[in-house]
Order: sequence, then C-alpha cells, then structure tokens
Amino acid sequence: DVKVTQSSRYLVKRTGEKVFLECVQDMDHENMFWYRQDPGLGLRLIYFSYDVKMKEKGDIPEGYSVSREKKERFSLILESASTNQTSMYLCASSALQGAVYGYTFGSGTRLTVV
Amino acid sequence: QQQVKQSPQSLIVQKGGISIINCAYENTAFDYFPWYQQFPGKGPALLIAIRPDVSEKKEGRFTISFNKSAKQFSLHIMDSQPGDSATYFCAASRSSSNTGKLIFGQGTTLQVKP
Repeated sequence: DVKVTQSSRYLVKRTGEKVFLECVQDMDHENMFWYRQDPGLGLRLIYFSYDVKMKEKGDIPEGYSVSREKKERFSLILESASTNQTSMYLCASSALQGAVYGYTFGSGTRLTVV
Repeated sequence: QQQVKQSPQSLIVQKGGISIINCAYENTAFDYFPWYQQFPGKGPALLIAIRPDVSEKKEGRFTISFNKSAKQFSLHIMDSQPGDSATYFCAASRSSSNTGKLIFGQGTTLQVKP
C-alpha cells in the first residue's frame, strides 16, 4: 500500500520557534507538495517540488521554506512560528503530470502555535 | 484566474437524498477537474475526475456534471448515505503541466443524517 507519511499528527510550538514538518513518500514520486488546510479557505498551496533540490513557491509561501535533499523526503520549515500559522498541514506527492493520476496525501499534521 | 470557487461551505442531507456541490473556475487553460473526498483524521483522496471533452461522468452513486461554456462543474451524490459524510474538495489543473499542480476549492463539509 503506497504511503505518504507525516512525522507528527499533532504539534504544539511556541511563538518564535523554528518548526520542522517532515514528509516521506515511498512511491518514487517526482512531485511533492505542502498545503495548509483552514476552514472556509480549503487547501492552499505553500510550496511544491518537482525534483530533488528544486522548489517553487505556491500561493502562500510567506513565513515558510522547504527542503528536498532526497527524492522521498520533503520538509516544511517555519522559520519563526507565529500564531497565524496554527493550522492543519498536509503533504502530498504525485508522479510527473500527477494531477491526472491523483495526489496521495498524508494524514496531516495539526500544528498549534501558542 | 487561478481560483476555483466552491459552494456551499456546508451541506446537510437526509439519508437517501441527493447531495449537490458546485464549483466554478476562471482559467480556460484548465482541462482536468477532479474531486477529492476527505474523512476526519485522514488526508483527501481522489474520488472521481472529468475532462472537458465530456459533459458528465458517473461512477456508482457519484456523478460529475461539467458545463464548459459556463466554466462550472458539480458533484452529485445520489442516494446519499451516512458513510458519505466527509469534506469534499473540487480542483482544477492543466493536465499538460509537468508539475501537475492542482488548484483546490474551499471545500464542502457534507453531513448525511440517518
């Protein structure tokens, strides 16, 4: 069974902390994505990566950065966590032209910044 | 031009009824329109998808209707069941894009009452 695994289901961090959210996929997918999910706003793309060490900004990249050193791993970094970054974070992966083959999502990390 | 607008935000339907969720897009370059289903505590999963060369696609109780001229598409769930209670996201993409980036709607939380 193919999987996208997010390292934590729940995280509580303090304002100003540097936060790392980890995502690993076992499908040899080229594309990986980070979304945040907020009620009424849907899924908003933060960053995506279509190859190792390649990254592109999504719709809401401010306050975030990413790292993809290996094909299977895509990390989201909150440089200095703020309360408005409290949200559900979803990682996804897909093959090239993956929209037509579907995204595989992880189960999400619910981050609370206090 | 990148937006996908989804309505309603929430929907309550009686068991056996028809659930209808609507989406509208602006970018005429979009040519692939999937729907994703998300159960509590899980990531979204691909449910059904359509391309604009057909006006309707049916899979079991789920049907997508597509109106290219109006730039709208909708999901119909026939004979809705309590097990259909979930959050539904419409999405749009350019299938020719190598990055396979999906633009998601705002989501609809469906509750089917027994």
